[in-house]
Amino acid sequence: EAGVAQSPRYKIIEKRQSVAFWCNPISGHATLYWYQQILGQGPKLLIQFQNNGVVDDSQLPKDRFSAERLKGVDSTLKIQPAKLEDSAVYLCASRRQGAGNTIYFGEGSWLTVV
Amino acid sequence: AQSVTQLDSQVPVFEEAPVELRCNYSSSVSVYLFWYVQYPNQGLQLLLKYLSGSTLVKGINGFEAEFNKSQTSFHLRKPSVHISDTAEYFCAVSEGEGAQKLVFGQGTRLTINP
Repeated sequence: EAGVAQSPRYKIIEKRQSVAFWCNPISGHATLYWYQQILGQGPKLLIQFQNNGVVDDSQLPKDRFSAERLKGVDSTLKIQPAKLEDSAVYLCASRRQGAGNTIYFGEGSWLTVV
Repeated sequence: AQSVTQLDSQVPVFEEAPVELRCNYSSSVSVYLFWYVQYPNQGLQLLLKYLSGSTLVKGINGFEAEFNKSQTSFHLRKPSVHISDTAEYFCAVSEGEGAQKLVFGQGTRLTINP
């Protein structure tokens, strides 16, 4: 079974530029997450999708971050304009429906804003 | 909101020695608990999880954890570590209806010395 796929793996941009990250979850997983992991910290949830609907985006900085999962499968996370403090690893994860099911993570997209 | 505290940010251990990584959580309701491992430049991989039943949970790579409800703890242990166990370890608690979201601790960096 293929894992969660993310691209690009690494990205360096200047502040005020824009960037987009793509995620393809494990086949059949209805729930998709985007987490932000700043160096030295644990991952923090940005947004959770159930199929193509948003379940929780309470910690998403909506003035600059946006995410979509139009067809209920793959997802895109966009940052525009980027700030220095957005430098982090952006982890995509997915899980099958059902209480307690394991959340599987991708390898992450590493963003450096200079 | 639930929170997780990992009591040690760094734990250095000699190879073949035992190790315990400590985790405490705050919650007034039943929870699901998880330990994830993150190797350098990789995503998070599930080590083990507690959903219900026996309070001693066995995971991959020889790790185990014990759920202690009275002390709200979920400490991770391994009787004999190897160089390959060098990684960042994250404790997490589920949050939300159906245990759909994970709240992570700050992480513990385990360094194995020869």
